[in-house]
Amino acid sequence: NAGVTQTPKFRILKIGQSMTLQCTQDMNHNYMYWYRQDPGMGLKLIYYSVGAGITDKGEVPNGYNVSRSTTEDFPLRLELAAPSQTSVYFCASSRETQYFGPGTRLLVL
Amino acid sequence: GENVEQHPSTLSVQEGDSAVIKCTYSDSASNYFPWYKQELGKGPQLIIDIRSNVGEKKDQRIAVTLNKTAKHFSLHITETQPEDSAVYFCAARGTSYGKLTFGQGTILTVHP
Repeated sequence: NAGVTQTPKFRILKIGQSMTLQCTQDMNHNYMYWYRQDPGMGLKLIYYSVGAGITDKGEVPNGYNVSRSTTEDFPLRLELAAPSQTSVYFCASSRETQYFGPGTRLLVL
Repeated sequence: GENVEQHPSTLSVQEGDSAVIKCTYSDSASNYFPWYKQELGKGPQLIIDIRSNVGEKKDQRIAVTLNKTAKHFSLHITETQPEDSAVYFCAARGTSYGKLTFGQGTILTVHP
């Protein structure tokens, strides 16, 4: 099993651009999550999903959108990127224990 | 919602010493408490977890204790090694199944 995979590993965006962060898991987990981690800080939940077709907001959803059309994939969409969205983004999946991907580092200039 | 406080924010020990990291939580209904280790440039990795029906759990040099009455839980690492140096996060799962609330993290440095 590859576990949770994320692409890209690193991206630089200009203010106002859009992009999609990809997340795929091969463990057949129903639950999937997106977190952001700012330098020296903990993890904040952006969005989560309890199954295909079902998503809900976490602590910091503003500026982001998600979709869950399959069990395996949970992409995170950034519309109109802002410098405040510079962060490291982690995707995770779980049955009970959460397993994290390697992260995507995003820099918005 | 759930709130998790973690202390200390940084911890420096000599190789072979023990390290203890403590967390408190606010939601008395929380029932699952995992600990994650995050190495530089990587995603968090689960190292140990404990459920609310258990007071203590050990895995080689790592142990976790839970005090439900006081609403706190702790990570204990014995015989620390330089490769234990990392950021450690505690977390608690409250009433929403699957959703975790994380502490702010502890930077552990083990000096050879």
